[in-house]
Order: sequence, then C-alpha cells, then structure tokens
Amino acid sequence: DGGITQSPKYLFRKEGQNVTLSCEQNLNHDAMYWYRQDPGQGLRLIYYSQIVNDFQKGDIAEGYSVSREKKESFPLTVTSAQKNPTAFYLCASSRDRAQDYGYTFGSGTRLTVV
Amino acid sequence: AQKITQTQPGMFVQEKEAVTLDCTYDTSDQSYGLFWYKQPSSGEMIFLIYQGSYDEQNATEGRYSLNFQKARKSANLVISASQLGDSAMYFCAMREGEWEYGNKLVFGAGTILRVKS
Repeated sequence: DGGITQSPKYLFRKEGQNVTLSCEQNLNHDAMYWYRQDPGQGLRLIYYSQIVNDFQKGDIAEGYSVSREKKESFPLTVTSAQKNPTAFYLCASSRDRAQDYGYTFGSGTRLTVV
Repeated sequence: AQKITQTQPGMFVQEKEAVTLDCTYDTSDQSYGLFWYKQPSSGEMIFLIYQGSYDEQNATEGRYSLNFQKARKSANLVISASQLGDSAMYFCAMREGEWEYGNKLVFGAGTILRVKS
C-alpha cells in the first residue's frame, strides 16, 4: 500500500545537536510539506516543496533546513539554531488536483530535547 | 489575522448524540477548499471531509457532515451518533485558491472532543 513513512517515531536531541527527521513517500506525489505541532495547538508550516530540487520556507522556517534531492524523500534537519525544538513533527504530501482529500500525512516524529 | 478560527478548545458529548464543532474562516479568494481532519492520541491525521467553495450541497461522509454557510464564512463539522472512538482532536483547515502543486493548508488550533459513555 502507498503511504508516507516518517522515522524515527521518537527522537531525543541534546542541546546544540543537529538532528534529521526522515520522510519518505511512495505515492508519486510531487508536493511535500513539514509541519510542527506543539501540545494543544494546531499545525504550523515549516517548509514545503513543490518539485525536486526546489523548496520554500513556510511560516516558521528559522532553525530548520530541508532538502529535496528525490521525489520520494523530504528530510527535515532541526539545527542547533532552533531554540525550542521539542514538538511533534508531521510530514505530508499532496498530488495535483487533490480536491477531495488535501494531504496525506505520515504518522509523525516526536522530538524531545534532553 | 487568523485564517481559521476554532473557538471551542474542548467539547463533551454523550455517546450516540450528535455534536457540532465550529469553524470560521477568513479569505478573499473566490475559490477555496475546507477540510476537517481527526487526530487521535496516536498522532496521525485522518482526513474526514472536504467542502469546495463552489459546492452547492453540504458535504457528507457517513456520520460526518459539513454545515457550510458561505456568507457567514463558517464550515462546522457535525458528527452524528457519536461513538467512543470519536474522542480525538479535530482540526479545520483551508486551502486558498485552486489546487496547484504545493498548495498550502492552513490549520485552526483544533477542538478536543471527548465522548462520554
């Protein structure tokens, strides 16, 4: 079955470390997205990519970086510049003309700073 | 300004009763789409229902229906015959403009629904 796989499910980061969250999809979707969710809050857009080798900043891109070298993969790096990285991170993808269901989401990665 | 407003942080409903979750939105586009997602405690986002701005009929999907009032810019989710498994966080989201590659969805803050037995 097609879908989006995020790994790891749980991730612990020490202060000052960079960590990379993986997102892989086999849906042949062109567009991919990263969202951050803080407890009891909605989703905020970090970065998104419409096509391979291209991506745009979302609303809260500071302290994060992404790459899109393959259509299937959109990894997110949380850098040491991100002052408050503890959150739930969701990756999503969409196809063109996806009128009826919007995005397909992964199951998320819960990042905790220790 | 908030694009999507969900004014109910939390709601309780008795099992088998209906419940309405409120959502108002703000856009100047003529073409837009409205979505509802369910997020159980496990964290995954489950698509529930979609309403396009040009759709004349309210969307329905099983026990879910969307009460779309365009002039009031509201898109309330109605869940009929609530079940214990409906307990979750519910998000309203909006896509502005026509679907293109990289369309962004803007999400509301969510409403936590608890179904009581």
